[in-house]
Amino acid sequence: DTGVSQNPRHKITKRGQNVTFRCDPISEHNRLYWYRQTLGQGPEFLTYFQNEAQLEKSRLLSDRFSAERPKGSFSTLEIQRTEQGDSAMYLCASSFSEAAIQHFGDGTRLSIL
Amino acid sequence: ILNVEQSPQSLHVQEGDSTNFTCSFPSSNFYALHWYRWETAKSPEALFVMTLNGDEKKKGRISATLNTKEGYSYLYIKGSQPEDSATYLCAFTGNQFYFGTGTSLTVIP
Repeated sequence: DTGVSQNPRHKITKRGQNVTFRCDPISEHNRLYWYRQTLGQGPEFLTYFQNEAQLEKSRLLSDRFSAERPKGSFSTLEIQRTEQGDSAMYLCASSFSEAAIQHFGDGTRLSIL
Repeated sequence: ILNVEQSPQSLHVQEGDSTNFTCSFPSSNFYALHWYRWETAKSPEALFVMTLNGDEKKKGRISATLNTKEGYSYLYIKGSQPEDSATYLCAFTGNQFYFGTGTSLTVIP
């Protein structure tokens, strides 16, 4: 199966620590998206890449959050100095183009102690 | 941040009933409207992407329509089955990507 892969599946960390998640998109997809989902809510857009270029960032993405896609393939999302409010499911998706369907990974669930 | 609204928030139907949900979105700067099916503990599964006003898509017992001028899309499920129980999300693509909060469907056997 060459679907979207996210690692780790679960991350538990203490408040104030830095965390990094990885997303491996479907190989021929040039668009990669990051979302955050909290209980009872739909996914909230964070940012997306077209190849290696980060084209849009939501206002939800504070300066503690940074995302990269250095070679236009896998992407990382880093959260520095984690806070309780960062606890959520972080979803990654990829697609061929802007209007194409997005294929989602299983997400990384972050829990801040 | 744009408002993408879905109604109803939740729905319980009997097996065999047909049902429909609504997604409302801004009619300006429209690029595409997506529908996803999301089961608990799984990632969202794409159902449809629609880009043109008047588009109608069908996949088995599920179909969707799009009206970009008035900013709404309907999702229909004909003859609901227990396995249709899930949250149905719509998402609007403008210059960013906005999901609605979903309609939670429970089909009672």
